[in-house]
Amino acid sequence: EPEVTQTPSHQVTQMGQEVILRCVPISNHLYFYWYRQILGQKVEFLVSFYNNEISEKSEIFDDQFSVERPDGSNFTLKIRSTKLEDSAMYFCASSVYRGNTEAFFGQGTRLTVV
Amino acid sequence: GENVEQHPSTLSVQEGDSAVIKCTYSDSASNYFPWYKQELGKRPQLIIDIRSNVGEKKDQRIAVTLNKTAKHFSLHITETQPEDSAVYFCAASRGSGNTGKLIFGQGTTLQVKP
Repeated sequence: EPEVTQTPSHQVTQMGQEVILRCVPISNHLYFYWYRQILGQKVEFLVSFYNNEISEKSEIFDDQFSVERPDGSNFTLKIRSTKLEDSAMYFCASSVYRGNTEAFFGQGTRLTVV
Repeated sequence: GENVEQHPSTLSVQEGDSAVIKCTYSDSASNYFPWYKQELGKRPQLIIDIRSNVGEKKDQRIAVTLNKTAKHFSLHITETQPEDSAVYFCAASRGSGNTGKLIFGQGTTLQVKP
């Protein structure tokens, strides 16, 4: 069964450093998402992406964040200058259609900012 | 704003008993309601979903009910088994015009005691 794949599974970074989280969505999916989950809190929407542009972003997704689909398979989330409060589990997801349809999640990248 | 409230945060049942998890949503335009199960260290996986044109959906031991008037939906698991132990998340999404964004509840940790 096709899966969304995320790398790395765990990333430790110094505060102020840039990090890139990588995702390979399911190949025939057209809609891509990033969510995050701070330990003990709910899963929060960050951004949705379609046709090589952002469809929607949340208030969390400020200028420090960016997303890119650099080639036909990868979907990346970049955090330019990490803060302690960026420590969280980051989930990538993809879906065939937008809305009313299953979103398939990756296994997550645990980001720890020290 | 868009919000989904989920209760209880933890639920402990004896094997064979039923478990019920409840969610309420604030956005009246929501019309897609998935439930995800997340086992420890694994990705969230869809277990059942319901669209607003139906009031109930069943799949073997799990069922979801939706009350659009009350903006309330629930997950019912019957004949619980130890392998049902996991964190369960409800979510809500708009349909038309939606970018695919899911608004999640806080999660319920279900423990099924053998």
